[in-house]
Amino acid sequence: AQSVSQHNHHVILSEAASLELGCNYSYGGTVNLFWYVQYPGQHLQLLLKYFSGDPLVKGIKGFEAEFIKSKFSFNLRKPSVQWSDTAEYFCAVNPSQYSGYSTLTFGKGTMLLVSP
Amino acid sequence: ETGVTQSPTHLIKTRGQQVTLRCSSQSGHNTVSWYQQALGQGPQFIFQYYREEENGRGNFPPRFSGLQFPNYSSELNVNALELDDSALYLCASSLNRGRNNEQFFGPGTRLTVL
Repeated sequence: AQSVSQHNHHVILSEAASLELGCNYSYGGTVNLFWYVQYPGQHLQLLLKYFSGDPLVKGIKGFEAEFIKSKFSFNLRKPSVQWSDTAEYFCAVNPSQYSGYSTLTFGKGTMLLVSP
Repeated sequence: ETGVTQSPTHLIKTRGQQVTLRCSSQSGHNTVSWYQQALGQGPQFIFQYYREEENGRGNFPPRFSGLQFPNYSSELNVNALELDDSALYLCASSLNRGRNNEQFFGPGTRLTVL
């Protein structure tokens, strides 16, 4: 079945540590890729997105992600995390077969806890 | 804040009952999508409405139904509630229905079925 896999359910880091959250998807063909973040008590909000072009995408708050087509991956990175990055992170995919509508298939999420 | 609002915030129902959840889309957005987020899971697509018509549907049974109104607000109706329907229900609006349109999420409605 088509799916989105996030490698870690929980990640604990100290402030200033580097972050990499893994995301793999199983769709063939063209995909749009997204990372969403949900801070405690807040809405899901978009961190960054990839539609086409440069596979290294920069988002808000110093986050970036790299699309590697051959590996079906879209990993999220941040060189130095802050306590305020504590949140749940979701990878999402919109495959090309749904060109007429904008459905998103989400991974299960990764809960990031950053200790001060 | 995204400008997408949902009501109510929380709801408790018993098995077999019916429930209606409401969503107001962001100004200028004509497309609304609904997602179900069970505990410990990512959101799962239920369906999408575009200009008052269902535009796409995920793997949910017919007892999940919806409406979109001329002002593009939307309702999600669930009949014959089951315990597994307990979840956070998210509404997302977008400027248009195509896959290149960003979705803006509301805060969700937490439904508990006893």
